[in-house]
Amino acid sequence: EVQLVESGGGLVQPGGSLRLSCAASGFTFSSYAMSWVRQAPGKGLEWVSAISGSGGSTYYADSVKGRFTISRDNSKNTLYLQMNSLRAEDTAVYYCAKDRAPYYMDVWGKGTTVTVSS
Amino acid sequence: SYELTQPPSVSVSPGQTARITCSGDALPKKYAYWYQQKSGQAPVLVIYEDSKRPSGIPERFSGSSSGTMATLTISGAQVEDEADYYCYSTDSSGLRVFGGGTKLTVL
Repeated sequence: EVQLVESGGGLVQPGGSLRLSCAASGFTFSSYAMSWVRQAPGKGLEWVSAISGSGGSTYYADSVKGRFTISRDNSKNTLYLQMNSLRAEDTAVYYCAKDRAPYYMDVWGKGTTVTVSS
Repeated sequence: SYELTQPPSVSVSPGQTARITCSGDALPKKYAYWYQQKSGQAPVLVIYEDSKRPSGIPERFSGSSSGTMATLTISGAQVEDEADYYCYSTDSSGLRVFGGGTKLTVL
């Protein structure tokens, strides 16, 4: 069974940093691209970032470009999202998701909550 | 920036057919996908590549796409189908976009 478990969320001050992790199991992690998707309180879904299976290609939404960095460690079956220069509008539940071609998410984790507030 | 437009809400009685639409300029050339999100839960894929149903998704869920509009149809909607539904696609450059979501009420 495919499982994705996010961690690393919490309360952080504006301008601060946080690193999210997503532990994957039940599939050959390195064979699949992965994505992060977020959902602000009471709002809809927003795709944030994606990374290829090898880690060689990365993609970002304009709203996070230059502030967030996606990466992966295929030896640890783990996906990461490094979030810097955090803003109040980054407050959301962050989901990691397994990608399928062509560019959609087929399995999602339960999410981790990030709150940016002073 | 590319947008997918959905109605904010749809309401049906149990056993009726619910139809949720999603419009976008790139849909004639790009697949549409549909996600169901129940309150407090993670999204679940219910339709992929316009009309395909993942294993485990009830047959009452179906999808179609014509021109700039994709449609999710729930035939004989059940109370347990009450949820937010999001369409998803990409634009011509590969930018990934979700629709604003549609709240389905079944009562």
